[in-house]
Amino acid sequence: KAGVTQTPRYLIKTRGQQVTLSCSPISGHRSVSWYQQTPGQGLQFLFEYFSETQRNKGNFPGRFSGRQFSNSRSEMNVSTLELGDSALYLCASSLRTGGENEQYFGPGTRLTVT
Amino acid sequence: GQNIDQPTEMTATEGAIVQINCTYQTSGFNGLFWYQQHAGEAPTFLSYNVLDGLEEKGRFSSFLSRSKGYSYLLLKELQMKDSASYLCAVTRRGYNKLIFGAGTRLAVHP
Repeated sequence: KAGVTQTPRYLIKTRGQQVTLSCSPISGHRSVSWYQQTPGQGLQFLFEYFSETQRNKGNFPGRFSGRQFSNSRSEMNVSTLELGDSALYLCASSLRTGGENEQYFGPGTRLTVT
Repeated sequence: GQNIDQPTEMTATEGAIVQINCTYQTSGFNGLFWYQQHAGEAPTFLSYNVLDGLEEKGRFSSFLSRSKGYSYLLLKELQMKDSASYLCAVTRRGYNKLIFGAGTRLAVHP
């Protein structure tokens, strides 16, 4: 079974721009969660999508948004980029939602904002 | 609120045993996960504990005490490739959100 895939792997953007990241979960997995990882803050939860609905949301501003499609693929969008948005963005998929499921991480998208 | 503590760094010798501790204070605690993350790579799942006790999986074991808010990851027969960050993460009942500790950077030397 193929693992979680994320595109693109690396991205350089300028302040004020917007960016869209994509995540394809493991086949059969219906939950996709997004995390931001920075040296200062560690791994922080952004949001979770299950059956095309946002189930949970972390403490991030409204500039961070996402969606999930009927095939469980998910996209994450960040508008009006700031320097502090430079980070590794990881998506994780699991079979179901509910807190008892192993989450498998993709390789991440390394975003640099200049 | 949520609070997860683990040591920042540890060092150990190849072939030895190391124990990485994690304490947590989480309302509505459901279960605890351990992930391994090599530099520049994604976290990989190691273990999941929801009941008290020890779960053994090859060279890695994980222990949980719900009443004490305490877990540890035990790595035996350490190898150089075990040099990585080890992340403790908890979930709350009904939520698929992983709440991570800051991670423990383990260096294994010959």
